[in-house]
Amino acid sequence: EVQLVESGGGLVQPGGSLKLSCAASGFTFRSYWLSWVRQAPGKGLEWVANINQDGSEQYYVDSVKGRFTISRDNAKNSLFLQMNSLRGEDTAVYYCEVQGYWGLGALVTVSS
Amino acid sequence: QAVVTQEPSLTVSPGGTVTLTCGSSTGPVTSGHYPYWFQQKPGQAPRTLIYDTSKRQSWIPARFSGSLLGGKAALTLSGAQPEDEADYYCLLSFGGAHDVGAQVFGGGTKLTVL
Repeated sequence: EVQLVESGGGLVQPGGSLKLSCAASGFTFRSYWLSWVRQAPGKGLEWVANINQDGSEQYYVDSVKGRFTISRDNAKNSLFLQMNSLRGEDTAVYYCEVQGYWGLGALVTVSS
Repeated sequence: QAVVTQEPSLTVSPGGTVTLTCGSSTGPVTSGHYPYWFQQKPGQAPRTLIYDTSKRQSWIPARFSGSLLGGKAALTLSGAQPEDEADYYCLLSFGGAHDVGAQVFGGGTKLTVL
């Protein structure tokens, strides 16, 4: 059974940093592209970033380029999202997604 | 980045059929955009319905189907049930035929079964 469990969310001040993790199990982790998707309160889904199988390619939505970094550790079946220079508009539930499977999400709140 | 468009809202009668569409500002949607469709109910994580245009996840009822229609990706619900009332999102990939690349969600369609 595929399982994705996000962690690392919380309350952070504007300009601060946070690192999200996604622990995966139940599938061959190293074989798939992985994504982070977020949803601001009361809003739609927004694709944030993705990464290819060996980590050599990453893509980002324009609003997070230069601030967020997606990475993966295939040995530990883990996906990460390093978020720097956080803004209020980054407040959202962040989901990791792979091949149609979703985690339950981690809430990130950016507020002073 | 591209803008992906969906109908903001649609209504379908119980037992009826409805088609949701997903267009791209860059031109016609093709299989190379690897269209995905997701369903989300209030307070829940999204659930994947369709991937790669028309492939249905194993746990998804056959009343959901995906296709390309008139230059857009389409999700057709045949025989709508009350439990199908939800928000529906499409996702397109813009990496070309051999790469996932950057992806963009549509704004979502709020489907009412009434």
